[in-house]
Amino acid sequence: DGGITQSPKYLFRKEGQNVTLSCEQNLNHDAMYWYRQDPGQGLRLIYYSQIVNDFQKGDIAEGYSVSREKKESFPLTVTSAQKNPTAFYLCASKRAGGETQYFGPGTRLLVL
Amino acid sequence: LAKTTQPISMDSYEGQEVNITCSHNNIATNDYITWYQQFPSQGPRFIIQGYKTKVTNEVASLFIPADRKSSTLSLPRVSLSDTAVYYCLVGDHMFSGGYNKLIFGAGTRLAVHP
Repeated sequence: DGGITQSPKYLFRKEGQNVTLSCEQNLNHDAMYWYRQDPGQGLRLIYYSQIVNDFQKGDIAEGYSVSREKKESFPLTVTSAQKNPTAFYLCASKRAGGETQYFGPGTRLLVL
Repeated sequence: LAKTTQPISMDSYEGQEVNITCSHNNIATNDYITWYQQFPSQGPRFIIQGYKTKVTNEVASLFIPADRKSSTLSLPRVSLSDTAVYYCLVGDHMFSGGYNKLIFGAGTRLAVHP
């Protein structure tokens, strides 16, 4: 059963804490993306990766970090430097030359 | 990168045809037009993509005029379950040295009423 999975579905962060959101895909896609969505807003690109061991900043990368050690995995860490992390986080992937991005179910991050 | 403009919201009734128009005046030669649908607390879902003229699949139709500066997503006979946010995106999907950056605006909130 192919697709993109994100975990956890809900995540709570304490002040000053780093948290990591998981994104895994078994679609053999080369490119992976992380987006942030605030209520009533569109998606904003945080980071993207075209190939393993390479990633680039998107439009709102400050306070976030990523890694791409494996083709199928692209975890996102929300660091304590991100002062307003409460949002819905979406991971997507796309094959090289493909027509569309496929999205995971999302992780909702809340600050305690 | 081409910017898109679409209505913030639309209302319709069950069984009606809904047309959502998107403006993209600065579309580039290599850009494709893609529409996504998003339900609350879910990831966006691909609906349809086209380059020019008309594209139709089992879900929707996409009409693109010759100048490609706009496009219209057509949803035939909508139902309550079509209530969602619809995003129009323009971008170069080819993985040719660059990256496939798609810009999601606020989208169009479609509300289908009984």
